[in-house]
Amino acid sequence: GDSVTQMEGPVTLSEEAFLTINCTYTATGYPSLFWYVQYPGEGLQLLLKATKADDKGSNKGFEATYRKETTSFHLEKGSVQVSDSAVYFCALSGADSSYKLIFGSGTRLLVRP
Amino acid sequence: NAGVTQTPKFQVLKTGQSMTLQCAQDMNHEYMSWYRQDPGMGLRLIHYSVGAGITDQGEVPNGYNVSRSTTEDFPLRLLSAAPSQTSVYFCASSYGVGNTEAFFGQGTRLTVV
Repeated sequence: GDSVTQMEGPVTLSEEAFLTINCTYTATGYPSLFWYVQYPGEGLQLLLKATKADDKGSNKGFEATYRKETTSFHLEKGSVQVSDSAVYFCALSGADSSYKLIFGSGTRLLVRP
Repeated sequence: NAGVTQTPKFQVLKTGQSMTLQCAQDMNHEYMSWYRQDPGMGLRLIHYSVGAGITDQGEVPNGYNVSRSTTEDFPLRLLSAAPSQTSVYFCASSYGVGNTEAFFGQGTRLTVV
């Protein structure tokens, strides 16, 4: 079945450092790909999405490109802030189950001043 | 701007007790779903609904029941609570098929002792 694998955390960075969180997926057909963020004590919020190969999603300085050839959707940010500290989830919705999200295990990011 | 509202936020149950987690959305979304979040496992789908009167099982449905009598409400019932159901539960809703944003509630932290 469909699945998402993302890098283990926690990831600890200093403010203004470059961030990469790796995400790879297994799916049949052409899934849509998402990054969700969970701030402490809150529910998940959509950060960005991409719906077809080579699409780049971007929001709040974060970017991710849908790479079908490597089945990847890595999250990047050029300069992180303390306020980016959160848990980040990579997710997909499959072509044959488009109303159900399949999540990776989440990566905790801690940004130190 | 209520969005998706879950109640209660916290709950402690004794093994064998039953309870209902409430979820309501005011965005007129057709799709609603319940997930549980466990450490190191991301979010896993329990049950989902594609409209009033229509529900189906997700990845981990055992021990849970749902119904959808209105578009707005999607309660999750625990029939006989077990310690393995200790988790954080999230309700989500979305307007359409997979490439649209899912909106999440703030979660219910359930402890079964």
